[in-house]
Amino acid sequence: NAGVTQTPKFQVLKTGQSMTLQCAQDMNHEYMSWYRQDPGMGLRLIHYSVGAGITDQGEVPNGYNVSRSTTEDFPLRLLSAAPSQTSVYFCASSRGRGPTGELFFGEGSRLTVL
Amino acid sequence: RKEVEQDPGPFNVPEGATVAFNCTYSNSASQSFFWYRQDCRKEPKLLMSVYSSGNEDGRFTAQLNRASQYISLLIRDSKLSDSATYLCAVRFGANNLFFGTGTRLTVIP
Repeated sequence: NAGVTQTPKFQVLKTGQSMTLQCAQDMNHEYMSWYRQDPGMGLRLIHYSVGAGITDQGEVPNGYNVSRSTTEDFPLRLLSAAPSQTSVYFCASSRGRGPTGELFFGEGSRLTVL
Repeated sequence: RKEVEQDPGPFNVPEGATVAFNCTYSNSASQSFFWYRQDCRKEPKLLMSVYSSGNEDGRFTAQLNRASQYISLLIRDSKLSDSATYLCAVRFGANNLFFGTGTRLTVIP
């Protein structure tokens, strides 16, 4: 079972570049979300979606965009990368329209912005 | 003030020891509580949900204290394989799941 798949696993960007982190899940989960994890800060919610066509902001949304055109896919776009966006990014999904139960995480995408 | 706070540790304990972690949360309307385990450079995985009456899964016991707004995780008879970072997570509102920064545990032979 694939579960939640994220690509790429590693990426180095220069300041000002844009890129998209891909996330796909094959569990037919309605809820999907993006977190970033930084030392001493824990996991912080960037954006989330409760179903196709519905997205909303989390705790730290600035500098990121998302869309949810299908149930399976939830890409995260960095509009103009900044060194402060150097982090490990996790996509996660859950049954139901909110994180009411187990959250299934992808393996993470490690992003460095120079 | 952070929504969820944990002692970052590290906790270094010998094999066979009992160790306990606490996690405090700020919102009294919090609805769901979880413990996740995260191995080094891996994704978090659900260890157990925390129920109001407390719950046990083998060597792991989770407790919730709503009056004092904290949850706890007790690990008995620690194994080397228990070495990991343990994250607490608290949900309030429909879509807000907040994580603590994690407590790192190292079990020493």
